[in-house]
Amino acid sequence: QKEVEQDPGPLSVPEGAIVSLNCTYSNSAFQYFMWYRQYSRKGPELLMYTYSSGNKEDGRFTAQVDKSSKYISLFIRDSQPSDSATYLCAMSKETSGSRLTFGEGTQLTVNP
Amino acid sequence: EAGVAQSPRYKIIEKRQSVAFWCNPISGHATLYWYQQILGQGPKLLIQFQNNGVVDDSQLPKDRFSAERLKGVDSTLKIQPAKLEDSAVYLCASSLQGLSNYGYTFGSGTRLTVV
Repeated sequence: QKEVEQDPGPLSVPEGAIVSLNCTYSNSAFQYFMWYRQYSRKGPELLMYTYSSGNKEDGRFTAQVDKSSKYISLFIRDSQPSDSATYLCAMSKETSGSRLTFGEGTQLTVNP
Repeated sequence: EAGVAQSPRYKIIEKRQSVAFWCNPISGHATLYWYQQILGQGPKLLIQFQNNGVVDDSQLPKDRFSAERLKGVDSTLKIQPAKLEDSAVYLCASSLQGLSNYGYTFGSGTRLTVV
């Protein structure tokens, strides 16, 4: 069983839609949760970083963590064609010095 | 600030040949990581350096992969001999010590095709 599960999609939505991306994990030792965005032929770039259960908002992006259910989500409001990319969830056991464990990534296309 | 530099961007080799990738991290970043990203999968850590010492190489196939980070700055990752299943993007990342998970910065990667 993979430690982190993520639906690979692909997901295609019209411009302006609300997008929901999700990951589940099995290892309760994971304490820190991240969402990365990866454009084609580029390295991943950090979008959101959360620790505690609950919601964290940054502009059009909201990250949600439910540690009791081992479930994290990323919501994108008013999606734009420029949001078309692969979204990777990642998690780690410590705030520093430990490896990131990534999900498979969800490929998102926002159609104008 | 300049990003994480990697070269070459693309490499095609035949199986059983050897190949090397180079990474120059962001200036001042003590921690350097090499990740392997197979098509359709998330990145998987191969090796982590803290300055020029190895912190984690538990997922590095040591029979064919090697890495070094001389003087705690640049790093090279080598594969010898390459197998077909090594076809992937090799990503280098760096971070400041103590803020490593938040301050991760990835390079654009080297895309390796083994034929």
